[in-house]
Amino acid sequence: DTAVSQTPKYLVTQMGNDKSIKCEQNLGHDTMYWYKQDSKKFLKIMFSYNNKELIINETVPNRFSPKSPDKAHLNLHINSLELGDSAVYFCASSPLGSEDEQYFGPGTRLTVT
Amino acid sequence: QKEVEQNSGPLSVPEGAIASLNCTYSDRGSQSFFWYRQYSGKSPELIMFIYSNGDKEDGRFTAQLNKASQYVSLLIRDSQPSDSATYLCAGQGGKLIFGQGTELSVKP
Repeated sequence: DTAVSQTPKYLVTQMGNDKSIKCEQNLGHDTMYWYKQDSKKFLKIMFSYNNKELIINETVPNRFSPKSPDKAHLNLHINSLELGDSAVYFCASSPLGSEDEQYFGPGTRLTVT
Repeated sequence: QKEVEQNSGPLSVPEGAIASLNCTYSDRGSQSFFWYRQYSGKSPELIMFIYSNGDKEDGRFTAQLNKASQYVSLLIRDSQPSDSATYLCAGQGGKLIFGQGTELSVKP
């Protein structure tokens, strides 16, 4: 059974395009996250949602907009893609009160050309 | 700026040896620390966490925390080739702050 799933797994697109990444968790967790991992493996939090409410919003360009239709889903929409957006984006979730116990999705490798 | 620092490696050890992975952090307010393992092309998975000063053992893994020195380490005993991965140290201070990871290679 898939715990945290993301689609698509790979995304190749051109500069200036708009794209979305979807994330779903079937663990019953209340908190979900988006992370960006760059080419040097540095993993950095972007957003955190708790039961559809935005909790953490790091210094991320406003071209990135998360959306949580329900507590099992957290999508990431990116406008006007730039070369520097190329990275692996991970979705994660954690149970309420255990924000340190995070379960990561398989990642979406975004390549902007 | 709260930071978690790791030696990016690569760290190479022979099979059966002890691998020692180290991490320092700048935020004295961080209460808990985590080690995630990430195989190439895969997602991070939590393998150890530690909240208190001292050692915590789980099988072949031992996490060590020294809050006075702001230092966290992970020891892997009897290293196996399957332990070859990038190990990410993370501190918790309201959110997880990750280090850049240490690449470990265990040679048969």
